[in-house]
Amino acid sequence: QSVLTQPPSVSGAPGQRVTISCTGSSSNIGAGSDVHWYQQLPGTAPKLLIYANTDRPSGVPDRFSGSKSGTSASLAVTGLQADDEAHYYCQSYDSSLSVWVFGGGTQLTVL
Amino acid sequence: EVQLLESGGGLVQPGGSLRLSCAASGFTFSGYAMNWVRQAPGKGLEWVSTITNGGGGGRYFADSVKGRFTISRDNSKNTLYLQMNSLRAEDTAMYYCAKARGGPFSSWFFDYWGQGTLVTVSS
Repeated sequence: QSVLTQPPSVSGAPGQRVTISCTGSSSNIGAGSDVHWYQQLPGTAPKLLIYANTDRPSGVPDRFSGSKSGTSASLAVTGLQADDEAHYYCQSYDSSLSVWVFGGGTQLTVL
Repeated sequence: EVQLLESGGGLVQPGGSLRLSCAASGFTFSGYAMNWVRQAPGKGLEWVSTITNGGGGGRYFADSVKGRFTISRDNSKNTLYLQMNSLRAEDTAMYYCAKARGGPFSSWFFDYWGQGTLVTVSS
């Protein structure tokens, strides 16, 4: 059971918009810890997608965006493309456990 | 270009030991905290350990490995290590080295990752 909860899977047709939620608690996201998102394509290492809740590293398309509110955060992907099929993970810091934590991951399928 | 190259994985029997290495290049290694993150086959990501860049090299461990794993770094060799003792079947995973960025712990994220090294614990 992950400290951060994500839906196991989401799907959408090419060109559509999907969102992936990441639900935490008052000891992590709700305590003000930043949320970061990673994309893991099949058979590859994770790659930083969004950091500090809303910021994109250089090279990440603006089709990817992040938001945070209360004890939750979301990743939005617009204009879905076939190569967006991947696992997506949220990550934050839990101040009660004093550890960095990941969500369980969400498989994005492009129909 | 930042590069992280892990090595040292392999097959080990339960109760055995293994030392992983991560050779870093393309950035000032001594200036950043470094981390190990693992991923069991077909599972999600799990933070394992962090060593800070301070002179004292603060060390932090997940409860699942505390007392069995140690983390260290050699800034003269730009290399990060993970010494794994008393290995268990549940330690079987791909182990990734990751560079950290951020201010306070609550803002830390992992901006660069290696390709990983596979550790299999089995008799």
